[in-house]
Amino acid sequence: SYVLTQPPSVSVAPGQTARITCGGNNIGSKSVHWYQQKPGQAPVLVVYDDSDRPSGIPERFSGSNSGNTATLTISRVEAGDEADYYCQVWDSSSDHYVFGTGTKVTVL
Amino acid sequence: QVQLVESGGGVVQPGGSLRLSCAASGFTFSSYGMHWVRQAPGKGLEWVAFIRYDGSNKYYADSVKGRFTISRDNSKNTLYLQMNSLRAEDTAVYYCATVPAAGFDYWGQGTLVTVSS
Repeated sequence: SYVLTQPPSVSVAPGQTARITCGGNNIGSKSVHWYQQKPGQAPVLVVYDDSDRPSGIPERFSGSNSGNTATLTISRVEAGDEADYYCQVWDSSSDHYVFGTGTKVTVL
Repeated sequence: QVQLVESGGGVVQPGGSLRLSCAASGFTFSSYGMHWVRQAPGKGLEWVAFIRYDGSNKYYADSVKGRFTISRDNSKNTLYLQMNSLRAEDTAVYYCATVPAAGFDYWGQGTLVTVSS
C-alpha cells in the first residue's frame, strides 16, 4: 500500500519559515492536500491540489509537489500555527485515500 | 452554513456492532463524495472509507474491509458507517468529512467509539 512519510516534529521561531515534507513514491504525480489539526479539533484544510489555498487560509501557507516529495511551507510563523499537520493523497492504484504520518509543529 | 453532525458513538464490547450517522446540512449533499476518517487516542489520522456522491462506488481501508460498510441516503442528507466485529484497535474518534473538491472541505466534530469489555 502507498505510504506517506512526514517528519514527526518541526520546531520554528516566530516570524521564521517552517517547511514540512511529505515523502511518497512519485508523489509528484498525485494531487496532495494538507490539513492542520489543533488539539481537540477536527482537521482543517490549509492547502489543496498541491498548492491552492481554500478561502480564509492566510497566504502564509503555501505548497509544492515534485518528484518524491511534497512540501507545506508556513511563512512568518505565528504562535497560532502550532498544530499537527497531515498530508493526504488519493492512491488510484489501490483505490485508497492515504494520510501522512503527521508532523507536530512547535513554535518556540 | 455547512454542518456535519456525527452521532451513534459509544462503548461496545469486542465483537459487537455499532452504526454511526452523519447528518449534513448547508450544502448539496448529493453532489459530494464523503469519507469516514478516524483517529485513535494520541495517534494520527486514518482514512476508513469513501463513498461516491451517488453511492455507486465504495472503497475501504484494508483494516476495516469486510467488517465496516459505508452507505448514504441522499434523500435524508445522511451518511452512515455500519461497524461489525469491532476490535479494541477500532477505538477512535470517527469523523465524517466531504472529499476535498476545489477547496470545499468540511468535517464533523467527531464521535468517539470505544471498544472495550
